[in-house]
Amino acid sequence: DAGVIQSPRHEVTEMGQEVTLRCKPISGHNSLFWYRQTMMRGLELLIYFNNNVPIDDSGMPEDRFSAKMPNASFSTLKIQPSEPRDSAVYFCASSLRAGLTSTDTQYFGPGTRLTVL
Amino acid sequence: DAKTTQPNSMESNEEEPVHLPCNHSTISGTDYIHWYRQLPSQGPEYVIHGLTSNVNNRMASLAIAEDRKSSTLILHRATLRDAAVYYCILSFSGGSNYKLTFGKGTLLTVNP
Repeated sequence: DAGVIQSPRHEVTEMGQEVTLRCKPISGHNSLFWYRQTMMRGLELLIYFNNNVPIDDSGMPEDRFSAKMPNASFSTLKIQPSEPRDSAVYFCASSLRAGLTSTDTQYFGPGTRLTVL
Repeated sequence: DAKTTQPNSMESNEEEPVHLPCNHSTISGTDYIHWYRQLPSQGPEYVIHGLTSNVNNRMASLAIAEDRKSSTLILHRATLRDAAVYYCILSFSGGSNYKLTFGKGTLLTVNP
């Protein structure tokens, strides 16, 4: 089975440009998570969806960040405009069940390394 | 959210057992203990989880203290491929709002 798929794997852009990161969760999974990882702050949860509906976006750093999940097999994380401090690795993860319980395993994608110059 | 405390780093020799400790003194009765690991340049991957009883799977064992204020992840025979950052996480049990909060983790180095 294919795991979580993220694209692109690497993105280099200039400050002020719009960046769109994409994620395809594992088929049949009902929950999707976006994380950001930096050396300074570690791995942070940005937002998560349950059955395509955003449940908790308290980790989204500011209005420049937005996330959508138009259907069960696709999600995007958009940064507009991008800034150098947004440089990080962005991970997408999915888990099986909606109405999450404390035992659900999250499956992570390989990440997108974003560099904003 | 209940917090966990882990050593920043640990070292082991190949083919020897490794015991990775985690303290979680503020754990609540319904919080599960999860372990994930992150290999270099990869996303985190699930290792094991438990509530009260010790747990075993093909990757590792999880030993949970009787008072649940600490736990230990046991790799029975470390290999070079086990070199990774290991995260001990308590699942936030707040009704239907569930998420994992990753800390800094323990960087495990395995020497040949």
